[in-house]
Amino acid sequence: SQKIEQNSEALNIQEGKTATLTCNYTNYSPAYLQWYRQDPGRGPVFLLLIRENEKEKRKERLKVTFDTTLKQSLFHITASQPADSATYLCALGPNNAGNMLTFGGGTRLMVKP
Amino acid sequence: ETGVTQTPRHLVMGMTNKKSLKCEQHLGHNAMYWYKQSAKKPLELMFVYNFKEQTENNSVPSRFSPECPNSSHLFLHLHTLQPEDSALYLCASSQEREGNEQFFGPGTRLTVL
Repeated sequence: SQKIEQNSEALNIQEGKTATLTCNYTNYSPAYLQWYRQDPGRGPVFLLLIRENEKEKRKERLKVTFDTTLKQSLFHITASQPADSATYLCALGPNNAGNMLTFGGGTRLMVKP
Repeated sequence: ETGVTQTPRHLVMGMTNKKSLKCEQHLGHNAMYWYKQSAKKPLELMFVYNFKEQTENNSVPSRFSPECPNSSHLFLHLHTLQPEDSALYLCASSQEREGNEQFFGPGTRLTVL
C-alpha cells in the first residue's frame, strides 16, 4: 500500500540555521508534490509545488528538491526564524491528472532564538 | 484568512445527536474537500466534490453524510457518531485541475461524548 513518511519527531534548530525536512514515499508514483505549513489550531497553508520532472524549486528562503529515483523530497528553510516554527506537511498528487492529495503525517519544526 | 470559512469552530455532541458542519468558500473554486485530522495521524481525505458532483468517498462510514448544494458551499451531516470520530474536520477548496493548491479553512474541532 502507499506510504508517506515524515519524521514524526520534532526538529529543533537554532535561529539562523538551515532546517531540512524529509518526505519519503513508497508504492507511489506521484505526478507532483506539495508542501504545506500548519500552525496549531489552524488549517494547512500551501507553500510550494514541485512536479516530477523538476529537480528543485525555490521561493524566497524555501527550497524543495524532488528525487523520483530515491522517492524522496527535501524541504529546506534557510536563515530560519522563530516565526518558522510550525508543522510542515508534504502531500503527493496522483499521476492520473486528478486533484486528490495524499498527506504525510507532518514534521514539527521548532526554531529557537 | 484563506477565503474558506467553517462553522462552527468547536462542537461537542453526544452519540445520539445529529449535527452539521458548514463550509463556504469565496474563491470561485470548483472543487471542495472534507478531511479528518486526528492526533498523531496524517490528514485523511473523506470526500471530494468536483463541479458539485461527488467524485470520491474514501470508505467513510455512512454516519458521515456530505452535501454540496452549489460550488461555494459544502456540508457534512453527522449522526450517531462514535467517540473515535472526535477530531479536527477540515474543509478545503481548489480549482479542479491537476496540481492546484488547496486552500483550507480553520477547521471544526469535534468532540463526541
